[in-house]
Amino acid sequence: GESVGLHLPTLSVQEGDNSIINCAYSNSASDYFIWYKQESGKGPQFIIDIRSNMDKRQGQRVTVLLNKTVKHLSLQIAATQPGDSAVYFCAENTGGFKTIFGAGTRLFVKA
Amino acid sequence: DTEVTQTPKHLVMGMTNKKSLKCEQHMGHRAMYWYKQKAKKPPELMFVYSYEKLSINESVPSRFSPECPNSSLLNLHLHALQPEDSALYLCASSQDPGNTEAFFGQGTRLTVV
Repeated sequence: GESVGLHLPTLSVQEGDNSIINCAYSNSASDYFIWYKQESGKGPQFIIDIRSNMDKRQGQRVTVLLNKTVKHLSLQIAATQPGDSAVYFCAENTGGFKTIFGAGTRLFVKA
Repeated sequence: DTEVTQTPKHLVMGMTNKKSLKCEQHMGHRAMYWYKQKAKKPPELMFVYSYEKLSINESVPSRFSPECPNSSLLNLHLHALQPEDSALYLCASSQDPGNTEAFFGQGTRLTVV
């Protein structure tokens, strides 16, 4: 399953499928891009980040892709599990002390 | 210990009350943050403390007053709030101000009546 930017804030996928969550950003000067996961009733949890001079970074079951040409960031989750159900936020850090969050996408995983 | 602890978890206060939110971390992090999150919205940065000094104030109204008594504690003093200030207030910390991996607490759910 795949979400399209910030105009489709909900993504529903079947357990075991791969998920792709997209994010458009606006600040070309951002040094880092970060993905956070927020489960109901909890604070955001860091997933992975990527520096602006990279275009891909892999973690455990997650991959972040950065396309600076079109200012687009995506988070790919492999073999999505029910525990992945949450709201996912992309965020930008301009190299200073500020991390600014984007609008978020809610991921539903169907068993 | 990788926790950021916030107290209280829930708070209901009147518009004339004075209350404080507390945040504590024992990870040795030197940067601490306050965010405000309204329902179904992303967290919005309010304040950043770097090495116990206020580094960023995102034009937050003066009815919110942050304080960093030491490197492990961060407070947010509240006075004369409005109903629209009702939100989830999140505290976070990171190893240093330039580090993008921030650890968040569970937040304080504030209701202003």
